Amino acid sequence: AQSVAQPEDQVNVAEGNPLTVKCTYSVSGNPYLFWYVQYPNRGLQFLLKYITGDNLVKGSYGFEAEFNKSQTSFHLKKPSALVSDSALYFCAVRGTLPMNRDDKIIFGKGTRLHILP
Amino acid sequence: KAGVTQTPRYLIKTRGQQVTLSCSPISGHRSVSWYQQTPGQGLQFLFEYFSETQRNKGNFPGRFSGRQFSNSRSEMNVSTLELGDSALYLCASSILPGQAPYEQYFGPGTRLTVT
Repeated sequence: AQSVAQPEDQVNVAEGNPLTVKCTYSVSGNPYLFWYVQYPNRGLQFLLKYITGDNLVKGSYGFEAEFNKSQTSFHLKKPSALVSDSALYFCAVRGTLPMNRDDKIIFGKGTRLHILP
Repeated sequence: KAGVTQTPRYLIKTRGQQVTLSCSPISGHRSVSWYQQTPGQGLQFLFEYFSETQRNKGNFPGRFSGRQFSNSRSEMNVSTLELGDSALYLCASSILPGQAPYEQYFGPGTRLTVT
């Protein structure tokens, strides 16, 4: 069965410092991996996705994520955090086995990111 | 292009009542998924519709149902409401479902409070 783990409920980072939000996954076959961000009282917004190819994926707002197949991880990173990056971040995975109808996207429980001024 | 719209945005119901939530996907998007978001459980998948057919269903009781219309608009219904159904219900649309690597676009959600 597919699963996603975000091991940290909350991450605190000082403004200007690099940030990392961790995500590990379990899926049969090759994964499609996604990161979404949710601001207060809003729906989720797509940040970036990994399909195939380069392990480093660049997305919106200066975020990037590194796909590591051997560690089954897809950590979200940003070189220099902004206070406006404070939000709830979700990692998600969808399996890619052919003819598999059980291919719904699975979300992690979310990590709350606090950027301290 | 207009985003995903959900109506109503806020709803207060009492136990035992039923509720219908509506979602209009982005124009051209044919897949609609529904999620329940609560602080304790995070984002939980309810169901996914494509071409008026339910493709996938999460682990929710039969009180939760949905449908999709020919214009891709979708509704979800919850009957015999329980206190535990209080949550933010999110609708998401994508171009296609299935093994396609298409990202989902989420609406702002409907905040349901059951008293």
